Amino acid sequence: DSGVTQTPKHLITATGQRVTLRCSPRSGDLSVYWYQQSLDQGLQFLIQYYNGEERAKGNILERFSAQQFPDLHSELNLSSLELGDSALYFCASSVGLAGPSYEQYFGPGTRLTVT
Amino acid sequence: AQSVTQPDIHITVSEGASLELRCNYSYGATPYLFWYVQSPGQGLQLLLKYFSGDTLVQGIKGFEAEFKRSQSSFNLRKPSVHWSDAAEYFCAVGDSGYALNFGKGTSLLVTP
Repeated sequence: DSGVTQTPKHLITATGQRVTLRCSPRSGDLSVYWYQQSLDQGLQFLIQYYNGEERAKGNILERFSAQQFPDLHSELNLSSLELGDSALYFCASSVGLAGPSYEQYFGPGTRLTVT
Repeated sequence: AQSVTQPDIHITVSEGASLELRCNYSYGATPYLFWYVQSPGQGLQLLLKYFSGDTLVQGIKGFEAEFKRSQSSFNLRKPSVHWSDAAEYFCAVGDSGYALNFGKGTSLLVTP
């Protein structure tokens, strides 16, 4: 158990809908990262927050957004869902940004299925 | 830009045999390097990491990896594989404070 929690574990929804994925980082971790894992694209970085502020963006679609709250938990919002959004979404957290504090610990993931 | 190549998509080894999973990276400076393991239906578990210093690093579950700057490699090794090691293995490279770039993964099958 990494200490990173994600809810829900599974999500099945229809095209065009909107969903919210939730992540609670390990106690004391300030940085949260969101990744998408799919068969064709592999593990792709989406977005990173550090202590409530957006720090970096990767291959995140405009239909997707995220935020990190004052208690450091994070939510990833996916809207106007398409079949191709079906994937495993991981949240990871790290204490800080440099050296050993940069180690990223991953949650169990949320499996999203869009029908 | 950083990138990671894992040349082997699938590897099959017999239980008790030694294992080496290859990882090559592309990065301008000395990178942070990681190996993660993912069992079916599970998240990614950190096996080991390299930040600096000793180029041979030890991890959990009896794994080790060697950083070779001249070859831009960070290969994962285990002297004797157990059936429970069957999983997907990912090599990743990172720059301080930023997201990790992952390889495509190597699927390990362990035969009796």
